[in-house]
Amino acid sequence: DTGVSQDPRHKITKRGQNVTFRCDPISEHNRLYWYRQTLGQGPEFLTYFQNEAQLEKSRLLSDRFSAERPKGSFSTLEIQRTEQGDSAMYLCASKRQGGTSETQYFGPGTRLLVL
Amino acid sequence: SQQGEEDPQALSIQEGENATMNCSYKTSINNLQWYRQNSGRGLVHLILIRSNEREKHSGRLRVTLDTSKKSSSLLITASRAADTASYFCATVGGEIKAAGNKLTFGGGTRVLVKP
Repeated sequence: DTGVSQDPRHKITKRGQNVTFRCDPISEHNRLYWYRQTLGQGPEFLTYFQNEAQLEKSRLLSDRFSAERPKGSFSTLEIQRTEQGDSAMYLCASKRQGGTSETQYFGPGTRLLVL
Repeated sequence: SQQGEEDPQALSIQEGENATMNCSYKTSINNLQWYRQNSGRGLVHLILIRSNEREKHSGRLRVTLDTSKKSSSLLITASRAADTASYFCATVGGEIKAAGNKLTFGGGTRVLVKP
């Protein structure tokens, strides 16, 4: 257990539905990252926050995706009008920017299946 | 998009043998990290090597980095059944504005250690 938690761990939804995932980072970590991993591939960067500010979004993050980190603590990732191609593992990671460690600590992931 | 390639894609060895996997990347880097992922789980950080380092050890792990060839290798000595997992290299870009220290992953090497 790295100290980063994600909820839910699994989500099955029908195409066209909206889904929301939550990530709780390690409490003193000011950076929070979202990645997506499809089967048999390495994770791909989606977006990251420094405190509550979303500082970068990948081109993978279409306008159906939105992420927030309202108080600089937990974060949510919402996918609207889900498509079968959204089926993947969504991983959250956190780190403390400005410290000596450059390690990102990953949560267990949320596995999404869109039927 | 994936930063680089990992080789081999899959590796099957007997317990006690050494496992070696390689990672190549495309752009300049600040550091390179190796992560392990057990089936369906989140990623666990193993080791980080900076661009000005050539070799690093941590327990049974040995990492090398050759920036002239843009490649790295991970050696696991005296492997155990518990080492069965997927192993990913990930780079942090070397640009001055290295976008938020996001990680760019390779495709991974799936290692099976047979008892």
